[in-house]
Amino acid sequence: GAGVSQSPSNKVTEKGKDVELRCDPISGHTALYWYRQSLGQGLEFLIYFQGNSAPDKSGLPSDRFSAERTGGSVSTLTIQRTQQEDSAVYLCASSRGGQGETQYFGPGTRLLVL
Amino acid sequence: QQQVKQSPQSLIVQKGGISIINCAYENTAFDYFPWYQQFPGKGPALLIAIRPDVSEKKEGRFTISFNKSAKQFSLHIMDSQPGDSATYFCAASMGNYGQNFVFGPGTRLSVLP
Repeated sequence: GAGVSQSPSNKVTEKGKDVELRCDPISGHTALYWYRQSLGQGLEFLIYFQGNSAPDKSGLPSDRFSAERTGGSVSTLTIQRTQQEDSAVYLCASSRGGQGETQYFGPGTRLLVL
Repeated sequence: QQQVKQSPQSLIVQKGGISIINCAYENTAFDYFPWYQQFPGKGPALLIAIRPDVSEKKEGRFTISFNKSAKQFSLHIMDSQPGDSATYFCAASMGNYGQNFVFGPGTRLSVLP
């Protein structure tokens, strides 16, 4: 079946503008994760959604970052008043949500803040 | 305690050689240890995973060795090929929903033809 999809694939924006990144998880996956990956670096956890539970926002770097998940499916990561240090690849992953379930990653959105 | 350490940071291996990447963790509550492979411009993809009740798992040319007492696990790539050149991430997770998922910093593997 279809994998995790993300849009846009690339986004260039000016400092101070808001951006929205979208993630479509695999159908039926209850868990959804957002990560940030800076050039040549590892994955930095941002936020986790599981079913209808309150999201784990412990990884969000500042209050400029927020995310929501509508209807337990599609998720949107919003970055307000973007800064140059926000430039990175933003990866979304989904899983069936059980213990030890594999995370399946999307291709990422490459964000460049000028 | 939530960290996963990974080494080496980069690795160069000749074609046909063995690539070995090591990871270590502190939190004994981790109960699932996957390895991900990431090619440039792509998201990470699951390569192989192990649970702490076994000491080794092999899938084709890829083997995970797990040492529970030492809290270490490693990825061995036998007969390394140029197509294996990628960044490899180890990870560890725990929790009823696997919500506590921690990644190592990654190892950039280059296999020379």
